[in-house]
Amino acid sequence: EPEVTQTPSHQVTQMGQEVILRCVPISNHLYFYWYRQILGQKVEFLVSFYNNEISEKSEIFDDQFSVERPDGSNFTLKIRSTKLEDSAMYFCASSVGQVASYNEQFFGPGTRLTVL
Amino acid sequence: GNSVTQMEGPVTLSEEAFLTINCTYTATGYPSLFWYVQYPGEGLQLLLKATKADDKGSNKGFEATYRKETTSFHLEKGSVQVSDSAVYFCALISNFGNEKLTFGTGTRLTIIP
Repeated sequence: EPEVTQTPSHQVTQMGQEVILRCVPISNHLYFYWYRQILGQKVEFLVSFYNNEISEKSEIFDDQFSVERPDGSNFTLKIRSTKLEDSAMYFCASSVGQVASYNEQFFGPGTRLTVL
Repeated sequence: GNSVTQMEGPVTLSEEAFLTINCTYTATGYPSLFWYVQYPGEGLQLLLKATKADDKGSNKGFEATYRKETTSFHLEKGSVQVSDSAVYFCALISNFGNEKLTFGTGTRLTIIP
């Protein structure tokens, strides 16, 4: 069964360093998403991406964040200069179509980012 | 704005017990409602959904009914199994053109034999 994969499963970095979180969405999916969950808090939407551009982003997704689909398979989230408060579990998701009532968002297992 | 409030965890039950995990929401218009489940080491998986008032979503013995009058979408199962141990997330989409999911905090469920 096709699935969304994410690497690495756990990333530890020093404050101020750049990190890139990687996702491989399901191959025929067209819409891609990043969410995050700070420990003990809600899963929060960060950004959605379609047709090689951002379609929506939250207020969390500031200039320190960027997303890219560098080739036909990967979808990446870059944090330019990490802060302590960026420590969280980051989930990638993808869907075939946009209307979520009819097009399930499939989630990866997450990358746990720890900023020291 | 949209928000989801779900029952604080963790919840521990014995096998074959009845399960209820409460979920209430605040949203504009008529949202679609979802329950996602996360088993250890895996991603969030859609468990069930309901797209309009009074709809009942069901899957794997779990059920939830979209109650507009109480803005609730409580998850229930009549007889839980050890394999149901997981984290359960209630979520909504507001259906006003954006497709971002708004989640609750998640409820960790542990079933003991």
